[in-house]
Amino acid sequence: DAKTTQPPSMDCAEGRAANLPCNHSTISGNEYVYWYRQIHSQGPQYIIHGLKNNETNEMASLIITEDRKSSTLILPHATLRDTAVYYCIVSGNTPLVFGKGTRLSVIA
Amino acid sequence: SQTIHQWPATLVQPVGSPLSLECTVEGTSNPNLYWYRQAAGRGLQLLFYSVGIGQISSEVPQNLSASRPQDRQFILSSKKLLLSDSGFYLCAWSVTTAGKYGYTFGSGTRLTVV
Repeated sequence: DAKTTQPPSMDCAEGRAANLPCNHSTISGNEYVYWYRQIHSQGPQYIIHGLKNNETNEMASLIITEDRKSSTLILPHATLRDTAVYYCIVSGNTPLVFGKGTRLSVIA
Repeated sequence: SQTIHQWPATLVQPVGSPLSLECTVEGTSNPNLYWYRQAAGRGLQLLFYSVGIGQISSEVPQNLSASRPQDRQFILSSKKLLLSDSGFYLCAWSVTTAGKYGYTFGSGTRLTVV
């Protein structure tokens, strides 16, 4: 079973920042937080991951709270192509288990 | 660069027929390999994973089996398909099980059992 809780859906205006929350209150010390997204009828795409520190790459930023019980994925300037299901996953050394994710709709 | 190939893209099979889906990875050695299934309107379910040739771990009891005859080849099979086997099947590979460097997914096979 997935160890994360995400809202089922969110809307975001095009050009604005999309902030996707994730709760993972039972995360263990050796578990990373991963974010993937799945555009309709495609395989999931890796976005970013982190352990304790905030992370940023060319796609997004990941903010992890100090107690590591929650995190937020930030898409700084959402475009219509960012419309997808976003999955937050926690894992140590086991295969990734995907939950239901958050369906993000970017609106023009 | 590493690439993952999965075929066919779509498949329509009658109930009771056999199934064989193939996945191959290029540009890397000893990858971890995975089969996931996504039923209509549902999340991704991990079916099998493999950390090496001949090593298969099954995550859920089902009508399917997996094999890894070569380092970069992963095959999903069934002897007799059920209607409930319909779904979107995805193969993926990673350097490590935890996917510290990310999982890369294939383009998927959409299977419809009729």
